[in-house]
Amino acid sequence: GQSLEQPSEVTAVEGAIVQINCTYQTSGFYGLSWYQQHDGGAPTFLSYNGLDGLEETGRFSSFLSRSDSYGYLLLQELQMKDSASYFCAVRGPSNNQGGKLIFGQGTELSVKP
Amino acid sequence: DTGVSQDPRHKITKRGQNVTFRCDPISEHNRLYWYRQTLGQGPEFLTYFQNEAQLEKSRLLSDRFSAERPKGSFSTLEIQRTEQGDSAMYLCASSHPGAAGNTEAFFGQGTRLTVV
Repeated sequence: GQSLEQPSEVTAVEGAIVQINCTYQTSGFYGLSWYQQHDGGAPTFLSYNGLDGLEETGRFSSFLSRSDSYGYLLLQELQMKDSASYFCAVRGPSNNQGGKLIFGQGTELSVKP
Repeated sequence: DTGVSQDPRHKITKRGQNVTFRCDPISEHNRLYWYRQTLGQGPEFLTYFQNEAQLEKSRLLSDRFSAERPKGSFSTLEIQRTEQGDSAMYLCASSHPGAAGNTEAFFGQGTRLTVV
């Protein structure tokens, strides 16, 4: 089956850098994605890694190591608005090329002043 | 606003009643998904449509749950004979093929169901 492990919560201060790790077990792997969800809000796509290495999008970067079944999301220059839950996700197995996602349990990030 | 919209945003119902939720996806997206999310958990996949065809259903989706997507546009999710365990946020998402390895989905704000 598919499973993803990530820390349940992380706390950091404004301006700092934080790394949220994700390890996964999948049958068939099509890349690792990250989503952000503010309290009461919709999950929002942040990034995707299909190949090993680092992908950078502004203050956020995401890394993948397929040999280690591991990835992380790196948030730099933390701002209060970054306080949210962050989910890693993989495509679930299917026979229809659909994009159903299997999510981790989420990491709640609290940014303190 | 051309995002995914869901209606209603909140629903409180008595146990045993039927409820129906609606999702309007982004118009050019042919893929539509329903997920369920409980507090402190990630979204769990329920079902997937490509155009009007329901191509996949999770084993989580008991026979009390049914979803439709007539004409391949909006979708409805109906829960019959609701139980307290059905209380959750029901999220709809849409996507188009190929986006970020088929992992980029656009989610609606969800319908929060409370069964009392």
